[in-house]
Amino acid sequence: EDKVVQSPLSLVVHEGDTVTLNCSYEVTNFRSLLWYKQEKKAPTFLFMLTSSGIEKKSGRLSSILDKKELFSILNITATQTGDSAVYLCAVEAYTGNQFYFGTGTSLTVIP
Amino acid sequence: AAGVIQSPRHLIKEKRETATLKCYPIPRHDTVYWYQQGPGQDPQFLISFYEKMQSDKGSIPDRFSAQQFSDYHSELNMSSLELGDSALYFCASSLNNEQFFGPGTRLTVL
Repeated sequence: EDKVVQSPLSLVVHEGDTVTLNCSYEVTNFRSLLWYKQEKKAPTFLFMLTSSGIEKKSGRLSSILDKKELFSILNITATQTGDSAVYLCAVEAYTGNQFYFGTGTSLTVIP
Repeated sequence: AAGVIQSPRHLIKEKRETATLKCYPIPRHDTVYWYQQGPGQDPQFLISFYEKMQSDKGSIPDRFSAQQFSDYHSELNMSSLELGDSALYFCASSLNNEQFFGPGTRLTVL
């Protein structure tokens, strides 16, 4: 059964801390892995990863994919209260262009 | 565990046709959300329902309508389809604000 598992489910940190969010997957015909940030309504796209070992970086956020071990991590350094959100991981499969979403990691950054 | 089910998975329509997308939430979830994700774009919130009543409305065109039925499944009806409606349509369900996303329906308008 194809699935995406995120951990931890919930995380509370202080401003300035660094956090690592995990996403592991078992998806047949992997095409890409996507990270989203969801604050209020619609998720906001963060990264799309297709190749192993290549880090993608955007400001304080970075992500990397390991296609051998079937996981990805999302790092956030020097966290700010504005980083508080649910972070969703989704894997797109070639078969049927299907998306498999994880249940998300709820991150709360306290001042 | 049961997940959110969407049907159909793929749909190809011509301009000016109509389309109906269906979403079956996780059992006991009372809220359904619809999103539209165009190629290379962020998902856009369209509309949501709580206990069979519309609870919030986003950037849903007037050509689209949606409802949630007594069994909590929801349908998104799209009329007078345009080329720009080609997108992935995600449905998510929730019980206590945590959203669980379905696999999406890919709509292609020719």
